[in-house]
Amino acid sequence: EVQLLESGGDLVQPGGSLRLSCAASTVTFNTSPMGWVRQAPGKGLEWVSSIKGSGADPFYADSVKGRFTISRDNSKNTLYLQINRLRAEDTAVYYCATGGHDFNPFDYWGQGTLVTVSS
Amino acid sequence: EVVMTQSPAALSVSPGERLTLSCRASERVSSRLAWYQQIPGQAPRLLIYGASTRATGIPARFSGSGSGSEFTLTISSLQSEDLAIYYCQQYSSWPLTFGGGTKVEIK
Repeated sequence: EVQLLESGGDLVQPGGSLRLSCAASTVTFNTSPMGWVRQAPGKGLEWVSSIKGSGADPFYADSVKGRFTISRDNSKNTLYLQINRLRAEDTAVYYCATGGHDFNPFDYWGQGTLVTVSS
Repeated sequence: EVVMTQSPAALSVSPGERLTLSCRASERVSSRLAWYQQIPGQAPRLLIYGASTRATGIPARFSGSGSGSEFTLTISSLQSEDLAIYYCQQYSSWPLTFGGGTKVEIK
C-alpha cells in the first residue's frame, strides 16, 4: 500500500513562505500523478494543485496561482509545494495525494500538515 | 468551473438503515466522479471512483451510481463506523472541484 508523509507545515506571518514536502513509499512514484488538497479549519476540501508523474503539466487553483509552485523529485520519491506570499486564508491542513491528473481521482492520501498564517 | 452541489448538508440515521447521498454537477462530467469519506480527525479516503467503482478495500455496503451530472452514493446498511463527512469530486475538467460535503450522524 502507498504511504504518504507530509512535512513542512508551520506558523508563518502573512507574506511569508514555506515549502511543504510529501515523501511517498511507492515504487511507481515516477509514473504517479500527484496533487495537493487543503482544508481550512472546519471547512470542506479544496483542490490546490496537481502534477503529472513526469513533472510536466502543473495545474493550480485560481486562489493560489502565481503564489504556489508544485514540483517533484522522482529520484527522492518526494512531492513539493512551495508557497509564497502567504495570506490568512491559506491557513489549512495541506494533504498530498496520489492521482489528481490525467483523469484520475485522488486514491491515496497523507495525514496532512498544518499551515497557519498569522501575525 | 464545475460547481458540485451535495444534498443534504447533514442527516441523522439509525444503524442498519439505508442512506442515499446526492451530488449534482453544474456541467456534465461523464463518469469522472469520485466519493470520499472523511472520518473526524482523519484524512479523506477514496470510496468510489468512475461514479460506481469501489476503491480497494471498500466494503460492499457502499455503492455509487449516476453519470453526466447527477450522482448518488448509497450506504445499504449504516454502521456506526460510517459516521463521517462524505464529499463528491469531479475530475473531468480543471479546476478539480469538490462538493461541500454531507455530514452523516448516527442516531
